[in-house]
Amino acid sequence: KAGVTQTPRYLIKTRGQQVTLSCSPISGHRSVSWYQQTPGQGLQFLFEYFSETQRNKGNFPGRFSGRQFSNSRSEMNVSTLELGDSALYLCASSLGDSPPETQYFGPGTRLLVL
Amino acid sequence: AQSVSQHNHHVILSEAASLELGCNYSYGGTVNLFWYVQYPGQHLQLLLKYFSGDPLVKGIKGFEAEFIKSKFSFNLRKPSVQWSDTAEYFCAVMGYGGATNKLIFGTGTLLAVQP
Repeated sequence: KAGVTQTPRYLIKTRGQQVTLSCSPISGHRSVSWYQQTPGQGLQFLFEYFSETQRNKGNFPGRFSGRQFSNSRSEMNVSTLELGDSALYLCASSLGDSPPETQYFGPGTRLLVL
Repeated sequence: AQSVSQHNHHVILSEAASLELGCNYSYGGTVNLFWYVQYPGQHLQLLLKYFSGDPLVKGIKGFEAEFIKSKFSFNLRKPSVQWSDTAEYFCAVMGYGGATNKLIFGTGTLLAVQP
């Protein structure tokens, strides 16, 4: 089975812009979670989607949003980018039917905000 | 508040030395516990997990971890490290109830193994 894929792998944006990141889960997985990884804050949970619905949300401002499509692919959007949004954004997938479940991570999208 | 503490931020060992990385968690309920590893330039990979049953769990590459409920700990061990074990190691907890797969991570331990 192919693993979790994320596109793009690298992204450079300027402050005030918005960005959309994409994640394709492992085939058959219906839960997709997003995490932000920074040197200062470590790995922090952003949100989880299951069956096109947000199932849980972390402690991030409303500028961070996401959605999931009927094929379980997910996107996350960050509007009005700030310098502090520079991070590695990780997507993880799991079966989704009966949490808690093991999550499998993608390679991440590294976002640099200038 | 739910949290995970990893006491060692940086560990340097010589090859063949034994490894133990500490992990303590704070969570008011039943938990699942994980260790993930991030090798240089690679994505986060599952090393091992504890869901229930035998508190001593074995993972890939000779790693094992012991869940001690009374101490809220899930320490990672390896009897003899190799240079290829150089990586960052993350302990994480996922709670039961709430129907969610949210992981709470520790801050990570950077392990450098000298040949």
